[in-house]
This record gives sequence, C-alpha cells and structure tokens, in this order.
Amino acid sequence: AQTVTQSQPEMSVQEAETVTLSCTYDTSENNYYLFWYKQPPSRQMILVIRQEAYKQQNATENRFSVNFQKAAKSFSLKISDSQLGDTAMYFCAFLNTGTASKLTFGTGTRLQVTL
Amino acid sequence: KAGVTQTPRYLIKTRGQQVTLSCSPISGHRSVSWYQQTPGQGLQFLFEYFSETQRNKGNFPGRFSGRQFSNSRSEMNVSTLELGDSALYLCASSFAGGRTNEKLFFGSGTQLSVL
Repeated sequence: AQTVTQSQPEMSVQEAETVTLSCTYDTSENNYYLFWYKQPPSRQMILVIRQEAYKQQNATENRFSVNFQKAAKSFSLKISDSQLGDTAMYFCAFLNTGTASKLTFGTGTRLQVTL
Repeated sequence: KAGVTQTPRYLIKTRGQQVTLSCSPISGHRSVSWYQQTPGQGLQFLFEYFSETQRNKGNFPGRFSGRQFSNSRSEMNVSTLELGDSALYLCASSFAGGRTNEKLFFGSGTQLSVL
C-alpha cells in the first residue's frame, strides 16, 4: 500500500513571494503518477500539476513547478510569484497506474497568501 | 462543457437513516470515482465505476454502495447512517479512469451531516 505524507499542516507566504510545499511518499511500485491538487473554499479539487514517475524532467505549469526526487520519494511543489488566489488547501496525491482512479492523498497543507 | 455536477450540495440526516448522493460526470466520461473527506481521516477512496461496473473499491464497510447508469451518472448510497459518516463526499470523472495520462475532474462535493 502507498502512503503520502505532508509534514506542513499550515504555511503562510506574502504576495509575490515564493513558497515550497513538501510531500514524501512510500511505494514499492515503479509506474505511478504524482499530483498536486488545490482545494479552495469552494471545495472543488483542482489539479495544479502532475508528474509521471518515469519522467526525470520536473513538471512545470506557469508559476507552479515540482522538485521530483524519485530515489528519495520526494515531490515538493514550488509556487512562484504567489497570488491571493493561491490561498487554499493543497494536497499531494499518488496514483498507481495499476489501480486507476484510486488516488492516495496526503493530509494537506493549508496555504495562506497575505498582502 | 459542463463540469462534474454533484447533488445535493448539502444534506442533513439522522442516525439510522439512509442517503443517496448523485454525481453527473462530464459528458463523454465513462469513469466515476468517489471519495470521502473528513477532518480526521482526510481523503479516502470509496470506489470507482467504469461502464456501469465497479472496477475498484476502497476499505469501507458494506453500508457504502454505489452504482452507475448507462449514461455514466453515478449514485452512492449509505445505509444505516452513523455519526462518523458526516463528511464531504467528492466524486471525480474521467474518460478512461486514469489508466492513461489523463486528468480526473472533481465536483464540488456533497456535504453530509449526520445528527
């Protein structure tokens, strides 16, 4: 079974600054995906970024990028030029390609972006 | 294209009752998966339906059940409600259920309160 650990329950960052959210996972699988989801007060889970385990290159999506360290089983999210709209819960998630749609989530990090 | 629609948004029930939640996936999507979100347990996978068949199941008691109709709409049912069933129930849809490099799209959830 997989486990996903987010060790930072809450974080705060000033607008326009950069923040990094941490995530570690444990698995014996070789083929998997990793995701960061954002859950604003509207409660809808929104995909921020995803990483295929077989790709060495770190994924980037505009202001969002990841640092994927497969050997260390680490998958951190960097948000650059933070905006007030980035305020939300952020969840790291793991998907084993053999058990489609069965995401394993971390406990989340509450990010507050301040003026 | 309309997103994933979950109804109702809020629901209040008493212990012992049963409840049915509905999820309409994005048009063309054939996979619907369900998740339970609580402050204590976080996000946990309930089950996934693909083309009217349950393809994957999480570790929940038999009181939790679901089904999928020919139009891909899905319902989940919880019988003999317990206080601990109070949670946000999220559904997610995708075309093939995450077996390929595709996204899961989440709805805004149904907030169930059991009194």
